Amino acid sequence: DAGITQSPRHKVTETGTPVTLRCHQTENHRYMYWYRQDPGHGLRLIHYSYGVKDTDKGEVSDGYSVSRSKTEDFLLTLESATSSQTSVYFCAITPGGPSEQYFGPGTRLTVT
Amino acid sequence: QQPVQSPQAVILREGEDAVINCSSSKALYSVHWYRQKHGEAPVFLMILLKGGEQKGHDKISASFNEKKQQSSLYLTASQLSYSGTYFCGTESRDSWGKFQFGAGTQVVVTP
Repeated sequence: DAGITQSPRHKVTETGTPVTLRCHQTENHRYMYWYRQDPGHGLRLIHYSYGVKDTDKGEVSDGYSVSRSKTEDFLLTLESATSSQTSVYFCAITPGGPSEQYFGPGTRLTVT
Repeated sequence: QQPVQSPQAVILREGEDAVINCSSSKALYSVHWYRQKHGEAPVFLMILLKGGEQKGHDKISASFNEKKQQSSLYLTASQLSYSGTYFCGTESRDSWGKFQFGAGTQVVVTP
């Protein structure tokens, strides 16, 4: 158990509403990531963080924003959810350097 | 651009071998391999850093051809527990810390 949790685990929301997903770690790792997983696409990077208040965009960042005010928390916000953002969202952490990523349990988000 | 994995799916009988390939168009710093069971999070298998480096985990091993920007995962004498979807994740030399994953290879091992 890598000490990484995600909340909520499941959410159904309506188009146009804001949504925030939370990733929490107890490992004090420097790097944190948000991915979305859709059939046929594998895992695609949305945003990542390399330190408190240090974030960067991934390959599918449009429509998403992130914040990291504490080492242990990395928030992903959908400002105005759309049906195309229905997906499973995974958070991952790594201490940095050439090391493995530990994934959280995932959040299943459905936008109706 | 995502790395390309092949094949998309493979069905094996227990004890058979399989190879999964991962190819990138970028100069790579590292290649990671993960396995994901249905409804669960991906789990790390191994990381390769140098050209030609081979790593092993039980009877699962991998190689990395740095010149061709390719990695292969070898499932030897497959077991039922090997079933799942395998992903390669790549980290390029010009985007250190940023990972891209292949679309995955679904492996089904039957008795």
